[in-house]
Amino acid sequence: DTGVSQDPRHKITKRGQNVTFRCDPISEHNRLYWYRQTLGQGPEFLTYFQNEAQLEKSRLLSDRFSAERPKGSFSTLEIQRTEQGDSAMYLCASSSRGNRNTQYFGPGTRLTVL
Amino acid sequence: AQSVTQLDSQVPVFEEAPVELRCNYSSSVSVYLFWYVQYPNQGLQLLLKYLSGSTLVKGINGFEAEFNKSQTSFHLRKPSVHISDTAEYFCAVSEGAGGTSYGKLTFGQGTILTVHP
Repeated sequence: DTGVSQDPRHKITKRGQNVTFRCDPISEHNRLYWYRQTLGQGPEFLTYFQNEAQLEKSRLLSDRFSAERPKGSFSTLEIQRTEQGDSAMYLCASSSRGNRNTQYFGPGTRLTVL
Repeated sequence: AQSVTQLDSQVPVFEEAPVELRCNYSSSVSVYLFWYVQYPNQGLQLLLKYLSGSTLVKGINGFEAEFNKSQTSFHLRKPSVHISDTAEYFCAVSEGAGGTSYGKLTFGQGTILTVHP
């Protein structure tokens, strides 16, 4: 059990560029969540996958955001045409079928949009 | 929908003193409650959780919390803090048994605990 991993840990980009983040959940965890955390705030839910199906999306997830989990394992979160307001920590979490009420978080990807 | 209010944004305390971090929640359905800790530039680590049963929950690192349904509170306590407890603490809630929100967490705004020598 190596924990949830996220890549990259830090990303600096210019406004208008596209960025993609990757999350590898704990092996055999069927549920995967993305959250966004801005400075001084608690994390806010973005979206949720059960296996490869995206079952819920927050209204925070604008049309510029897209998430996938093609084979029910790793997930990617893409932001198109980044804006300065997208600067935040993007957190991924996973949980298992047998312990679905406990989410394990990765270290996060810190995005800075210049 | 649920909401979480952490009543103190910052709590300074001296080493070996007791501490209480306060959390109140609002929900129209039954809930599960959690406390997470976040060290600088890291993800969140689960301290403890209340799902059902005993209202006094013990977690890692000597922390405990008590679920009070009538006051809709879930305060976190530690009888004697260490320098290493300095971190940000988040209270979170999810829908309880039978909920339809797939376990998504709603977090409070966080409480920064600073332990001074």
